[in-house]
Amino acid sequence: DAKTTQPTSMDCAEGRAANLPCNHSTISGNEYVYWYRQIHSQGPQYIIHGLKNNETNEMASLIITEDRKSSTLILPHATLRDTAVYYCIVLHNNAGNMLTFGGGTRLMVKP
Amino acid sequence: KAGVTQTPRYLIKTRGQQVTLSCSPISGHRSVSWYQQTPGQGLQFLFEYFSETQRNKGNFPGRFSGRQFSNSRSEMNVSTLELGDSALYLCASSLAGGVSSYEQYFGPGTRLTVT
Repeated sequence: DAKTTQPTSMDCAEGRAANLPCNHSTISGNEYVYWYRQIHSQGPQYIIHGLKNNETNEMASLIITEDRKSSTLILPHATLRDTAVYYCIVLHNNAGNMLTFGGGTRLMVKP
Repeated sequence: KAGVTQTPRYLIKTRGQQVTLSCSPISGHRSVSWYQQTPGQGLQFLFEYFSETQRNKGNFPGRFSGRQFSNSRSEMNVSTLELGDSALYLCASSLAGGVSSYEQYFGPGTRLTVT
């Protein structure tokens, strides 16, 4: 699976958009980009995933660059409850259902 | 729809004992995966069950085992507990195999402390 690089930490003001970047320059054509987050003392939470096109759901939007070497997760109106560690993962569809999280980005939403 | 439930939420055991953890997946989900999470090692995959069969296995010793029942509920067992087994054990369910399997829904975890 391709390696990802994310900033260690970011701050965001409550009510503003949080834009979390992820670099995955070695991504291959059939690898998907997945985002999860983990709020302190809770299990990880699936957010969104995509292959080529931008995706949006009730939680977030995922913007993938045309060359697919990077992506951005956007939380349109961050709340204090969005404070968490956000993980960007690149997965091949036959990687055996195993999720592995790297360091992730610790997002702190401030009032 | 109810989420993934895990029992118990907290557990304290002593070295050498064994422990069984339980996981009930989201209704309709047939795949259940187990993970161990520690501050030092991060999230590590233990195994995945689908239709009562172990489909994938991580790199853990044989002391770690699991099973899945016909209703998709799953249990994992750790025998001869060691201090290093202290961790948060997470269960995740997903609909089925293939790409959608990475859309996994996690339970709150069982925090196991071995003394």
